[in-house]
Amino acid sequence: DADVTQTPRNRITKTGKRIMLECSQTKGHDRMYWYRQDPGLGLRLIYYSFDVKDINKGEISDGYSVSRQAQAKFSLSLESAIPNQTALYFCATSDHYEQFFGPGTRLTVL
Amino acid sequence: QKEVEQDPGPLSVPEGAIVSLNCTYSNSAFQYFMWYRQYSRKGPELLMYTYSSGNKEDGRFTAQVDKSSKYISLFIRDSQPSDSATYLCAMTGETGGFKTIFGAGTRLFVKA
Repeated sequence: DADVTQTPRNRITKTGKRIMLECSQTKGHDRMYWYRQDPGLGLRLIYYSFDVKDINKGEISDGYSVSRQAQAKFSLSLESAIPNQTALYFCATSDHYEQFFGPGTRLTVL
Repeated sequence: QKEVEQDPGPLSVPEGAIVSLNCTYSNSAFQYFMWYRQYSRKGPELLMYTYSSGNKEDGRFTAQVDKSSKYISLFIRDSQPSDSATYLCAMTGETGGFKTIFGAGTRLFVKA
């Protein structure tokens, strides 16, 4: 089984809809991250959490919110989706310098 | 100025060529310099890392870090079609709690 899983893998939604992306990990790491990837822009950090009680904004947090339900679970929400949030979203975990990524969620906002 | 600059390519080379991928950075606090490889429709995976300056070799791959110039490189010898992927440089350090900064990624195509 994969160490970091993301659901859903693909999602098409409409402008204004609320959507939640979920991430689970079995690596036992305290640190979890949400990134979005856009062509030519690389991976940009949305939110990160160093433990269950610690949530921090990344460089592009506007329009997003997160919830750390447990050490193993970290969810990303788009309260009111807009087309420029169309991107590939990755969850990652780490306990030191190396990050372990999930398979990604491809989100399209029409 | 971005913290990390990486040419997104694409870079197309024939099989067997030597590939050179590069990044520049601005934050002198970075201690760990990494290269992640990302295949299409997959998440990135760590390929190599170097702590501080110097070279590191792993099979056909060599990573170099020049902290004085704030420049890192990844060389791929005898490139293979299976090396076709996006390569992202990344940097982190204890300052900031190992928050990692990624380059834009260079898309590499190795033609058989």
